[in-house]
Amino acid sequence: QVQLVQSGAEVKKPGSSVKVSCKASGGTFSSYAISWVRQAPGQGLEWMGGIIPIFGTANYAQKFQGRVTITTDESTSTAYMELSSLRSEDTAVYYCARSYYYGSGTLDNFDLWGRGTLVTVSS
Amino acid sequence: QSVLTQPPSVSGAPGQRVTISCTGSSSNIGAGYDVHWYQQLPGTAPKLLIYGNSNRPSGVPDRFSGSKSGTSASLAITGLQAEDEADYYCQSYDSSLVVFGGGTKLTVL
Repeated sequence: QVQLVQSGAEVKKPGSSVKVSCKASGGTFSSYAISWVRQAPGQGLEWMGGIIPIFGTANYAQKFQGRVTITTDESTSTAYMELSSLRSEDTAVYYCARSYYYGSGTLDNFDLWGRGTLVTVSS
Repeated sequence: QSVLTQPPSVSGAPGQRVTISCTGSSSNIGAGYDVHWYQQLPGTAPKLLIYGNSNRPSGVPDRFSGSKSGTSASLAITGLQAEDEADYYCQSYDSSLVVFGGGTKLTVL
């Protein structure tokens, strides 16, 4: 049974960067896409971007363009999300989620989720 | 504001039927993109509830059903149970990028 295992909680200063990892335990994600979805306290789900490992390129939500970088290391079946220039509004739980994808690059539904990583931005 | 509009909250008594709407536009749901639904229990990660507008993953009770028409989609829950109390999110695509609804909190009275 494949699981997505995320790295632990982080506390960061405003202006710094954070890098969160997501490892496919018990399998690989070479046939899937990996997206990052965040949820601020008491708020809804917000898609940040996704990557199709075999294509090697990521798509990002406009809101996060220039500030987020999503990468994968297929040798370890691990995906990473790095968010820079952190501000207090970036305090949230960050989820990785797996999906199939279409030839056009459009992602399918998210059928498997990590348990989330809490990132707290505070001075 | 979310690209997909959901009511902030709905409620119903045990055994009743409730529906949650998800309203989009011609650039997302109306463009023919599929709608998926997720259930998020308190303190947990979202779980896929309905995919491809109306399909249930294995293990999801048939009390949950989805539909799509035009620029909107709906999630229906029949025979409401206490454990259905959760947040529900619709998800689709806009210009091939993922978009979520703002979420609906279901309260079982």
